[in-house]
Amino acid sequence: GAVVSQHPSWVICKSGTSVKIECRSLDFQATTMFWYRQFPKQSLMLMATSNEGSKATYEQGVEKDKFLINHASLTLSTLTVTSAHPEDSSFYICSARSDYGYTFGSGTRLTVV
Amino acid sequence: SQQGEEDPQALSIQEGENATMNCSYKTSINNLQWYRQNSGRGLVHLILIRSNEREKHSGRLRVTLDTSKKSSSLLITASRAADTASYFCATDAYNQGGKLIFGQGTELSVKP
Repeated sequence: GAVVSQHPSWVICKSGTSVKIECRSLDFQATTMFWYRQFPKQSLMLMATSNEGSKATYEQGVEKDKFLINHASLTLSTLTVTSAHPEDSSFYICSARSDYGYTFGSGTRLTVV
Repeated sequence: SQQGEEDPQALSIQEGENATMNCSYKTSINNLQWYRQNSGRGLVHLILIRSNEREKHSGRLRVTLDTSKKSSSLLITASRAADTASYFCATDAYNQGGKLIFGQGTELSVKP
């Protein structure tokens, strides 16, 4: 089946710094990946759709300059949280669509202190 | 944007009992999927039901879909303590570029 690897699994950073989260499709090519954010006890909120070789499509209310998405290859998409603040602390999950359906990364727990 | 709404938000049952979770959505869909998430972990795909299907089974799971009411239900039979998790429905809607939109989720607690 399809495997999506997401790193890091957790990160703690200081307020004002930037954090990069990677999402790799290991055994398939993903032209499209999706990035979600999940606050405690809440559901997954779609942030953006990442398209290989083109600009990401952001959902309403998501700041594209705050959450930079790069999908430079068919197997890698990255989400960079720029100038992170405590309110950005959350669980971030990526997903890719393949012939097997949707596959999710294991998530990244971001804590901004 | 969130499309699905689920009820109940939380469900607590005894081991051996059945658990039923419901999901409602707003737009036309290609399919509806159910996922499980253990606390602080990633998602596990449970079952997918297409818009032209009405019922689907997988082991102890039974999913129904009523497109006229835009609703789905997930039934877990003979629950086990290990079924304790959050369960989410997600819709793959027409003309949405393949993105999955998740419901609010049901937090299931199965007591031994």
